[in-house]
Order: sequence, then structure tokens, then C-alpha cells
Amino acid sequence: DQQVKQNSPSLSVQEGRISILNCDYTNSMFDYFLWYKKYPAEGPTFLISISSIKDKNEDGRFTVFLNKSAKHLSLHIVPSQPGDSAVYFCAAPSSSNTGKLIFGQGTTLQVKP
Amino acid sequence: DTGVSQDPRHKITKRGQNVTFRCDPISEHNRLYWYRQTLGQGPEFLTYFQNEAQLEKSRLLSDRFSAERPKGSFSTLEIQRTEQGDSAMYLCATASGSSYNEQFFGPGTRLTVL
Repeated sequence: DQQVKQNSPSLSVQEGRISILNCDYTNSMFDYFLWYKKYPAEGPTFLISISSIKDKNEDGRFTVFLNKSAKHLSLHIVPSQPGDSAVYFCAAPSSSNTGKLIFGQGTTLQVKP
Repeated sequence: DTGVSQDPRHKITKRGQNVTFRCDPISEHNRLYWYRQTLGQGPEFLTYFQNEAQLEKSRLLSDRFSAERPKGSFSTLEIQRTEQGDSAMYLCATASGSSYNEQFFGPGTRLTVL
């Protein structure tokens, strides 16, 4: 049972444009969500998070939106840069305070110069 | 380098052999997690430690897998009698009490079982 789903395996955008990466979840008990970024030959790195008490969290060029009724979150990158090319994973803790993360399958973002 | 390190980075072994991986955490992090990632998938939780105590193991972790964190610092993950289905990237991550969800990952150990 895939509780966190990223249905788009890949996304290609032009430098300077907006990148929108999507994530759906099935477990309504999830109350915190994270995005991780992964470059080849490196481990994932934490990017941004959002609590379920919010519907938006912004950090520089990165904004995460949460739609609880739709069980959907999205990551917006504006403007996209070639250095943003990576695999992006959304994740949710399976229970509070354990740090046991459930990851989506990932979306490979390519930003073309 | 004060990040999470893993050794070896790559391991090729024959089916039936035992392998052991090591993870060295960020020193002040009391939580340590092991994940497994296969091609086209996100990391899957295997087990985690708080200091030296192993608090949870996934049902993915068969009896052939064992993990330890003897002094609450580095950790080892051993796979006995490896199978081809064990081929994957094994990731270690650590975190501190300020936020266990914002984990710092090592580069991983890629295991290939022939």
C-alpha cells in the first residue's frame, strides 16, 4: 500500500520558469510533510516541510502547498535553475516523534538552460 | 567532514555471502535510521535507533538482517546469506531531538548481489 504517491516520474522545465512537483497521500492521519532533494551519488537532503495546520510554507524560491481535503501537496520552485535538476521526494512521518518517514517514489526534475 | 558517512560506498557480493555496512552519524545526533532504496522507488524504512536502543524494525527486515549501534555512535547493518533481491541502495540517516523528521542522509552503500 503506497501511502505517499508521486505519479509523475519526471518533469522538464526551462530555466527561469516555474517547476511544480506533485504528491498525493492516502492516510488522513498524516500531519506533517517534507520534501527532500537528491543529487546522483549523494543521499537525500531536506528541502522544506509543512505542518497540517498550515496550507502554505515558503522558503526562498521554494513553496510547498498543502490541500488537506484533497490529500495533495505540491512543491513550487520559482524561478527554476539548472542546479535544481535532481530527484525530489515527498515524505510523511508514519507516526509522531518516531522520524519513521514514508517516501513517495520520487520525481526527476530537469531544468534546461 | 561533519556529515553522515557510510562505508563501503559500493559492495558486490555473490549470493549466499554475508555483508556488513557501516554508518557514522553526525556526532550529536541520537537517532539513527536505516532505509533501503531500489530503482525507481523512494527510500523504505528498515529500522531505527535512539542512542544504542533499537526501537523499531520494519517487516521488510527479515531474520537475515541485523542492525546494531553498540555505543550509540556508529551503526552496522549486516545481511546474512544474501539474495539477489537484496540488491539495493542502503541509506543511513541521523537526526537530533529538535526534529527527528529532518534527517541527514549519508551517501548510501550500493549493494549488488550476483
